[in-house]
Amino acid sequence: KNEVEQSPQNLTAQEGEFITINCSYSVGISALHWLQQHPGGGIVSLFMLSSGKKKHGRLIATINIQEKHSSLHITASHPRDSAVYICAVGLNNNDMRFGAGTRLTVKP
Amino acid sequence: DAGVIQSPRHEVTEMGQEVTLRCKPISGHNSLFWYRQTMMRGLELLIYFNNNVPIDDSGMPEDRFSAKMPNASFSTLKIQPSEPRDSAVYFCASSGLGGGANYGYTFGSGTRLTVV
Repeated sequence: KNEVEQSPQNLTAQEGEFITINCSYSVGISALHWLQQHPGGGIVSLFMLSSGKKKHGRLIATINIQEKHSSLHITASHPRDSAVYICAVGLNNNDMRFGAGTRLTVKP
Repeated sequence: DAGVIQSPRHEVTEMGQEVTLRCKPISGHNSLFWYRQTMMRGLELLIYFNNNVPIDDSGMPEDRFSAKMPNASFSTLKIQPSEPRDSAVYFCASSGLGGGANYGYTFGSGTRLTVV
């Protein structure tokens, strides 16, 4: 079993829909990251969080440390949100573990 | 700030040749990370440095891989000799605020390596 599991693997949505991507992990962590990788390959760090919730524009990330679960929400989705979203956890020794990613396609 | 700068963007080399990938972190960041991304294995952490010192290189696949950070503004990842299975995109990232994987990251654009 992978230490970081993401779901769904693939997600197709219509423009305007509310999107949720989930991440569960099985190891002790110090922080959780959400990354965005566009088709061109570049990776952008969206959020780093260790508790509660963070919001940036139409993006919201939440984490429940007790349940070892995080969600990334996108409100009013847009085709430009189409990308691969990767959940990564920072371990207590500063190592990192990555989920396999969720490929999101938002259709106009 | 120009962000994390990696070079080259693309590299095609023949099996057996030495390959050197370069990274310039964001000024003031004191942690630097090298990652490899392949279709089969996704993103993998290869090695990271805190204050120019290698902290954990357990992700380095084998002795053919080596990384150095001679100063706070430059790091290299070297593969010698290269093999076709080393073909991947190699990302460099840096972070600040005390360093480590538990602070915000900035990624470079990556180097796409093809070994033929």
